[in-house]
Amino acid sequence: GAVVSQHPSWVICKSGTSVKIECRSLDFQATTMFWYRQFPKQSLMLMATSNEGSKATYEQGVEKDKFLINHASLTLSTLTVTSAHPEDSSFYICSARPSDRPQETQYFGPGTRLLVL
Amino acid sequence: GESVGLHLPTLSVQEGDNSIINCAYSNSASDYFIWYKQESGKGPQFIIDIRSNMDKRQGQRVTVLLNKTVKHLSLQIAATQPGDSAVYFCAENISFGNEKLTFGTGTRLTIIP
Repeated sequence: GAVVSQHPSWVICKSGTSVKIECRSLDFQATTMFWYRQFPKQSLMLMATSNEGSKATYEQGVEKDKFLINHASLTLSTLTVTSAHPEDSSFYICSARPSDRPQETQYFGPGTRLLVL
Repeated sequence: GESVGLHLPTLSVQEGDNSIINCAYSNSASDYFIWYKQESGKGPQFIIDIRSNMDKRQGQRVTVLLNKTVKHLSLQIAATQPGDSAVYFCAENISFGNEKLTFGTGTRLTIIP
C-alpha cells in the first residue's frame, strides 16, 4: 500500500503561537510532498511543494515566511504555521508520491484541522 | 484573508441507482485527470484516473469519461451504496510527472436509502 499519515489530526492554539504539522509517508519514500489548505465547503488549494533536501516552492499568494516547510528526509515533511491567526484556521492536507513509482498518483494524508482562537 | 465560502453543488441519488458527477476542467494542456472521494473530516481518497490519450476508463463500479473537445470530465458510479455519500473532486495535472494538481470545486453526493 501507500499510506500517508499526519500529526496531529487536530490542534487548537491561541492567536500568535506557532503550530507544526507533520506529514509522513509510512511505507514509501517521497522526494516530493505537497501541502494543501481547504476551507469549509471549498476545494483543496495547493500551498506549496516540499522538496527533500531543498527549499520548498510556494504557490502565488502563499507567504513563505508564515508557512515554513521543511522536508528533512524522504519520509517526512513538516509545515509550521508561524504566528497563527484566526484566519489561518483551516484543514491542512499533505500528499506524497512514491519516488520509485512515478507512474502512480499522489496519496493524501488524513488532514490536520487547525483552529486558532 | 479567508475566501468567501462557496456552496458545493449537490447531487442526491436513490440507493441502487447510478450517479453521474460532472467536472469542467480549466487547462487544455492538462493530460492527466483524477477523481477523488473525500468523506467528512478526511483526506481525499483516489478513485480512478485517466490519461488524455483515452476517453474512457473503467474501474470497479466506476467509469470516468473524458471529452477533451469541451474540457469535460465525468464520473459514473454504478449501483450506488450509502458508503458512496461524500464530496467528489476532479483534479487535473498539466504534465504527469509535473505532479502539481489543480482541484475542481467538488460535488456533494448524497445517497438516499
